[in-house]
This record gives sequence, structure tokens and C-alpha cells, in this order.
Amino acid sequence: GAVVSQHPSWVICKSGTSVKIECRSLDFQATTMFWYRQFPKQSLMLMATSNEGSKATYEQGVEKDKFLINHASLTLSTLTVTSAHPEDSSFYICSARAGRGNYGYTFGSGTRLTVV
Amino acid sequence: GENVEQHPSTLSVQEGDSAVIKCTYSDSASNYFPWYKQELGKRPQLIIDIRSNVGEKKDQRIAVTLNKTAKHFSLHITETQPEDSAVYFCAATSSGGSYIPTFGRGTSLIVHP
Repeated sequence: GAVVSQHPSWVICKSGTSVKIECRSLDFQATTMFWYRQFPKQSLMLMATSNEGSKATYEQGVEKDKFLINHASLTLSTLTVTSAHPEDSSFYICSARAGRGNYGYTFGSGTRLTVV
Repeated sequence: GENVEQHPSTLSVQEGDSAVIKCTYSDSASNYFPWYKQELGKRPQLIIDIRSNVGEKKDQRIAVTLNKTAKHFSLHITETQPEDSAVYFCAATSSGGSYIPTFGRGTSLIVHP
């Protein structure tokens, strides 16, 4: 089945620094990838949709200059949290689908970000 | 846009009992309804899904029912086991939403041995 690899699984960083999270589709080409944020005991909040070779579409309320998304190839999307603050601490999960339409979504393993 | 409501937020059952989680959606164009299981600190895993041309689907102890008229769908787990304890999310997708799933808020299922 489709596998999505996400790295790192956890990261601790200091306030003001930037953190990059990678999401890779290992055995399929992901034309679209999605980035979610999940707070403890809460649902998955879609942050942005990235399409290979074009700019990401951000959900309302998500700062595109703070959460930089790059989807330069069909197998890799990156999320960079710039100038991180403690309130950015959260669980970030990517997901991918191989084509268009209602294909099953495959999730990455998630990244636990802690900003101190 | 689509709005998905999920109930209950927490469900506690004894091992062997059945568990039912219910979701409603607002967009009548939604036509695909997946259910995900998420264990603590791990990724959501697809456990079952149903399309709008089907009213019910079963996979061993898990079943999902869909009522398109009422715009609600439910997850049924029979003979629950402690390893079923997790957070379960429902979702709805439609072509109008560019096939991006809208998730419910999640149900924390606790199965007591």
C-alpha cells in the first residue's frame, strides 16, 4: 500500500528558530499533499494544500509567511515553521493522495514540535 | 463548505460490548466517507470507508452505515477489545470540496478489560 514517510518524528527548538519538516511519498507519486496541525485531544486542522509545481493553498487563518510549504517534486513536500514560538508547539501531520478524486489518503507518521 | 459533526466526544465501554459513533454532514454533494483510527502519538489509519452509492459496509467487527437522506453515517464496532481503544475520526469528502476531507472532532473510545 501507499506509504508516506515524515521526518523528523519529533523536534525541540528554541524560540525564533526555524524548523523544516519533510513529507515523502515512498512508493507513489503524490500530486497533492496536505499539511495538518493537531492539538492534544483535538481533530485534524487542515493548514494548507500543496500541489506539485505550484503555490500552496492556505486555509483561512494560517499565515503563509510563517508556515512555508514547498512541493518541488511529486514525492516530496516540506513545511518550514519560521521564527517558531511556543504557541507553534503542536503535532504536525502530512497526508498525500496519488491522483485526483476520492482516493484514499495516506498519512505521515507526524512530527511533534516543541518550541522552548 | 462542508461541516462534519461527530458524537460522542468520549465513549467508554466494557470489553465485549458494542460501540457506535455517529457523524452528520452538511454538504449533500459529499460522496465518500472514510473513518480513521488514531492511537496516541501516531498517525491516523484508515479502517473503513463507504461511498454514497452504498448503504452499509462491513469488515469483520467493524461496520459503517450511511443514510444519505438524513446526511448521517455511523461506525459500529462489535465485540470491542482493549486494543480498539483510540481516537476515531470520521470524514466527508466531495468533488465540490476538491476531494479534501473534512474531519469530525474525533471520539475517544476507551474499552475497559
